[in-house]
Amino acid sequence: SQQGEEDPQALSIQEGENATMNCSYKTSINNLQWYRQNSGRGLVHLILIRSNEREKHSGRLRVTLDTSKKSSSLLITASRAADTASYFCATDSRGNNRLAFGKGNQVVVIP
Amino acid sequence: GAVVSQHPSRVICKSGTSVKIECRSLDFQATTMFWYRQFPKQSLMLMATSNEGSKATYEQGVEKDKFLINHASLTLSTLTVTSAHPEDSSFYICSAAGQGARGSVFFGSGTQLSVL
Repeated sequence: SQQGEEDPQALSIQEGENATMNCSYKTSINNLQWYRQNSGRGLVHLILIRSNEREKHSGRLRVTLDTSKKSSSLLITASRAADTASYFCATDSRGNNRLAFGKGNQVVVIP
Repeated sequence: GAVVSQHPSRVICKSGTSVKIECRSLDFQATTMFWYRQFPKQSLMLMATSNEGSKATYEQGVEKDKFLINHASLTLSTLTVTSAHPEDSSFYICSAAGQGARGSVFFGSGTQLSVL
C-alpha cells in the first residue's frame, strides 16, 4: 500500500538554485530511499537512509530523516538542467526491499 | 553495480491478447523480485512479490489470474498480462534483490504496455 507522500508535487526552479522536497509516511520503517525517474524511463536510485540515521549526503544530494515526525526531505543543491525529473521517496518497512512509493515530485530546472 | 534487464521496453498489442514481460538479474542471484505498475503521472504501485521457486504474493486488488508471475530461476521472473484490455495499458517495472546485491534492490528499465 502507498505510504510515502511528498509535498510539494511540482517545483520549478532556476539552474543553480536549490530544490527541496519532502516526504511523509505513516508506519515504522527500516529505511527510506529516494529515486529519480526521467519521463517514461526506469528508476535511478539516489540515496538510502536507515531508520537510525538522521542525515546523509551524496554529492549534491542531502537527505534528512525524522522518524519522530515520520518525514524525510531531499535537497538538491546547485541544481542543473539535467536534474529535471520526477523524484520519489520509497519506504521499506521490514528491510526486505518491498517498497511503498510516494506520489512523487516533478522538478523542472530552467537553464 | 548490479544490473537488472527488463524486456521488452515497449509493446503494443491488441485487446484480448497476452503479453509477457521478462525481468532478468544479470550479475546476481535474485531470490526476490517485485513487480510494479505506474500509470501516467502517478506513482509506482506494488503489484506482487515473487520469490524463486514459490508462488507470487499479490497485493490487494491485483488479480492473480490476470497478472501471471513466474519466478522459475534465480535470474528470471516473468509477468504475463493475460487477455489484455486498454485499461491494462501502463508502465510496468520490476526490481530484484538477493545474493550478491549487497542488500540493495535494483530496478529494471521498465516496459511501456499499450493495449489497443
